[in-house]
Amino acid sequence: SQTIHQWPATLVQPVGSPLSLECTVEGTSNPNLYWYRQAAGRGLQLLFYSVGIGQISSEVPQNLSASRPQDRQFILSSKKLLLSDSGFYLCAWKVALDSPLHFGNGTRLTVT
Amino acid sequence: DQQVKQNSPSLSVQEGRISILNCDYTNSMFDYFLWYKKYPAEGPTFLISISSIKDKNEDGRFTVFLNKSAKHLSLHIVPSQPGDSAVYFCAASLYYGQNFVFGPGTRLSVLP
Repeated sequence: SQTIHQWPATLVQPVGSPLSLECTVEGTSNPNLYWYRQAAGRGLQLLFYSVGIGQISSEVPQNLSASRPQDRQFILSSKKLLLSDSGFYLCAWKVALDSPLHFGNGTRLTVT
Repeated sequence: DQQVKQNSPSLSVQEGRISILNCDYTNSMFDYFLWYKKYPAEGPTFLISISSIKDKNEDGRFTVFLNKSAKHLSLHIVPSQPGDSAVYFCAASLYYGQNFVFGPGTRLSVLP
């Protein structure tokens, strides 16, 4: 069966520090991969998605970037964090175009 | 502009009764709709979906109804159980699209 791993679960970082969140999927190949963010009291906002290695689409302009160095690995990065980057970051995957997204357990990022 | 709306931020229901969660959308091109359930500090869990060729889909205690002319869908949970207490997100997509647009969520509390 397919599983998704996302780490770390929680992270506290100072303003201006770099960020790297990692997500890996097991049990499937060539998944579509997604990064979402949930700000406090708000819905889920799509940040990036990828349909293949090295292919990244950005949905909103921001202080973040994403990379997909391997088929089942998706990384969310920032060179310098802002206070507004605080939130709950979720990685998700799906394999077929007409299938639902499946989410990891998320990373709670607090920028201080 | 919010393309997927959940106008009730919260809902309380007695155990054993029916819970009805509502969702409205503005983009008439959406033709694939999903409901997710989310507990605190966890990723959303997929519950049920419906495509625009149907107006109803059932899975156990969960039923989703779609009214395309009104651009409205609803999730019925019967009977409601205390374990159903969570935040419920409605999401919409083009059937073969990459982007799932989420509503802001409704917090359901099932009272024993």
